[in-house]
Order: sequence, then structure tokens, then C-alpha cells
Amino acid sequence: SQQGEEDPQALSIQEGENATMNCSYKTSINNLQWYRQNSGRGLVHLILIRSNEREKHSGRLRVTLDTSKKSSSLLITASRAADTASYFCATERASKIIFGSGTRLSIRP
Amino acid sequence: DGGITQSPKYLFRKEGQNVTLSCEQNLNHDAMYWYRQDPGQGLRLIYYSQIVNDFQKGDIAEGYSVSREKKESFPLTVTSAQKNPTAFYLCASSIEPQIDNEQFFGPGTRLTVL
Repeated sequence: SQQGEEDPQALSIQEGENATMNCSYKTSINNLQWYRQNSGRGLVHLILIRSNEREKHSGRLRVTLDTSKKSSSLLITASRAADTASYFCATERASKIIFGSGTRLSIRP
Repeated sequence: DGGITQSPKYLFRKEGQNVTLSCEQNLNHDAMYWYRQDPGQGLRLIYYSQIVNDFQKGDIAEGYSVSREKKESFPLTVTSAQKNPTAFYLCASSIEPQIDNEQFFGPGTRLTVL
């Protein structure tokens, strides 16, 4: 089974609204990363949060980490059409980075 | 996608043929990775290399082979032993072999078996 599991699998919101995606994992981690993938393209690194951090910001992105619940959330504020993409969390398991199956985000104009 | 190139972008192969996917990086990164992505799915690790002339199997290495003769190059061969090779293949690299480093991805190669 996947180390990281994103929720929901798909999300459709109106432009300007906030989008929240969640990631749950099973084993202890040193850090958790979020990546973005536009359709048919490679992944782009968004943000890394370490296990001793609870919250991190980067522009319109806000990531939280709750190690007691083994979960993380990615919040995109004031969404734009260009935010339409798939978003993946990545965690370490057995010395490898494991990617979840992703959340497909669609922004409606 | 800057710094990592993959070629070709689209590749068609007949059943029973081996095919090699190219991955080159000019970022001076030590570690390189190959992933497979199926429609609507996440990435699965095929092989990774932490240093030149060394590589390790990932979760789905069967039917694939790699080489790492140069730091900047990490080609992936999809052999005829891979039963279901049609997929999107992504190459990535990271500065150091530490597993929790940020990975930089190429644009991908879409392989279709006819």
C-alpha cells in the first residue's frame, strides 16, 4: 500500500476559492514534500516541510504537518485557472521516496 | 523541467522489441531516478542511482535495465520481458543521494506498445 495517500482524489472549485488537499502516511518521516504535475508533464517541487515543523508558507501555498495524526495538508489560497494540475505528496519509506496517487485539482472560471 | 532532458517525448514500440529512453541532466546532481506513471496514478520507482557506476532496484524493476556510466546520463531500457510497458516514464535527479532531497523532474517520455 502507498506510504502517502492524498484525499480527495479529485477536487473542482471556482476560481478565487481556496483549495485544500490532504495527505496521510503510515510510518514516521523526516520530512514530507508536495509536488505539482501539469497534464502530461514532469513534476515540479512545491514545498518541503520537516518533521519538526508544523506549518510552512510559500506564496499562496500553506502546508501543515501533524506528526501525531500522520497527516499533512496543502492549502492553495485565491485559486487561479493556472493552478489546475495534479498534486502529490511524497514521503520516505525504506530509504526511497514514495509518491501518493495524487489529487486532481480543477479550477472553474 | 529545467536542467533535465528526456528523449524522445513520444515513443512507439512493437511487442518483443527492446527500447531505450534517454535521460540527461546538466545540474551536476549525484542521484538520478526513473519512475513509471500509469493513467490517474502516482509514480512508482523503477531504478535509482546514487553515484556513477552504481544503481539500485526500485519497486518495479522487473523487465527494465539501466546504466550509469556518466554522472549526467541515466538511460533506461525497457526490455521485451516487461509485460505491460505502455506508460509515462519520468526521470528525476537530486543534488545528493539523501533520500529526502528535492527531486527535479524531466518532461517525461510516453511509451506506447503497438
